[in-house]
Amino acid sequence: QKEVEQNSGPLSVPEGAIASLNCTYSDRGSQSFFWYRQYSGKSPELIMFIYSNGDKEDGRFTAQLNKASQYVSLLIRDSQPSDSATYLCAAGLSGGSYIPTFGRGTSLIVHP
Amino acid sequence: DAGVIQSPRHEVTEMGQEVTLRCKPISGHDYLFWYRQTMMRGLELLIYFNNNVPIDDSGMPEDRFSAKMPNASFSTLKIQPSEPRDSAVYFCASSPRQGEKLFFGSGTQLSVL
Repeated sequence: QKEVEQNSGPLSVPEGAIASLNCTYSDRGSQSFFWYRQYSGKSPELIMFIYSNGDKEDGRFTAQLNKASQYVSLLIRDSQPSDSATYLCAAGLSGGSYIPTFGRGTSLIVHP
Repeated sequence: DAGVIQSPRHEVTEMGQEVTLRCKPISGHDYLFWYRQTMMRGLELLIYFNNNVPIDDSGMPEDRFSAKMPNASFSTLKIQPSEPRDSAVYFCASSPRQGEKLFFGSGTQLSVL
């Protein structure tokens, strides 16, 4: 049973701070990792993906992957109230049978 | 492209009734996924298709659920008979290739009374 675990939160940070969201996965065969953002009442939308160990930066977002520890994280710098949403971590295989597995999500609240 | 299109947006029905959810994936996407989202269980994969062929339906909760993809531009998820515990948001998503991002539809909010 492949599992992706996230702290449900809520994680509350002040505006301008760094928000750190974490995710662990059980399947060592997982090779692709995604962070989706979901606003209340809306559908998930992809904000970051990462395949290789290390950091990947895109604007205010940085995804970090550590395959040895089976750990993925998302950092949001200069957090804004508009970043308040649920962040879903997903893990999948990059080849062979692909079944994307999602965590239950972490609720982030950025307060002014 | 208009994105993944789902209908209806909201469905309220009574226990025992048949419910059909519809999805039109993005043109050219080879993969189509049906997910169910609840507060308790999060986003669960029900079934996915590759080139209109069901690949894995192990997430379908029971025989009351069935899904079809008669062509590359249309898929249905049917629940018969529906039960109150089926109440959830059902998302359809498509992807151009395996391992790539999913494009989600706006979802169907299903309430079974």
